Amino acid sequence: GAVVSQHPSRVICKSGTSVKIECRSLDFQATTMFWYRQFPKQSLMLMATSNEGSKATYEQGVEKDKFLINHASLTLSTLTVTSAHPEDSSFYICSAKAGGGEVFGEAFFGQGTRLTVV
Amino acid sequence: AQSVTQPDIHITVSEGASLELRCNYSYGATPYLFWYVQSPGQGLQLLLKYFSGDTLVQGIKGFEAEFKRSQSSFNLRKPSVHWSDAAEYFCAVGAPGSARQLTFGSGTQLTVLP
Repeated sequence: GAVVSQHPSRVICKSGTSVKIECRSLDFQATTMFWYRQFPKQSLMLMATSNEGSKATYEQGVEKDKFLINHASLTLSTLTVTSAHPEDSSFYICSAKAGGGEVFGEAFFGQGTRLTVV
Repeated sequence: AQSVTQPDIHITVSEGASLELRCNYSYGATPYLFWYVQSPGQGLQLLLKYFSGDTLVQGIKGFEAEFKRSQSSFNLRKPSVHWSDAAEYFCAVGAPGSARQLTFGSGTQLTVLP
């Protein structure tokens, strides 16, 4: 199957700093990428959907100025957590799917990033 | 809007025993259905998916799932569980014709006893 690589796998940062997480599709072009957040023992909650070359669409309740998403190419999307605080500590997972439009395609998941804000 | 319910938060089975993980969905028509597995600190791996056709779907690692429209269910099964199957399992639903992403259930944690 297709491979999605997420980097870093773990990051610890100080409160008030910004952290960038990368999501790359290694062997296919991902027109759409998704960012999820997962709290311990809970399911994945969709944060935003990004399409290459356009602004991301954020889910209700997700602060777009805090969670900056850039999908500058067909193989790379980045999530930047700005001015991070301890409550932003979580497991962030990206997924990517090929194709676009209204055709539902299979999405492939990255291995996740564990963010700890101290 | 679609929703997914996984009634069992935690299931424990002995190695070699059979397994069934429950999943119920809510959607106005036939959705796209998925089962994913997540090992600790890892991303999600697709086990199997149902889009249309045969309601019994075979997946990887010996898993299968059956779509039952009358019960709005998509239960995951495995005839003989291995210790390496211990993980978190998520059922997910996607709306056909929609570019939006999946809606996930709350997950079922599987523990396998030796």
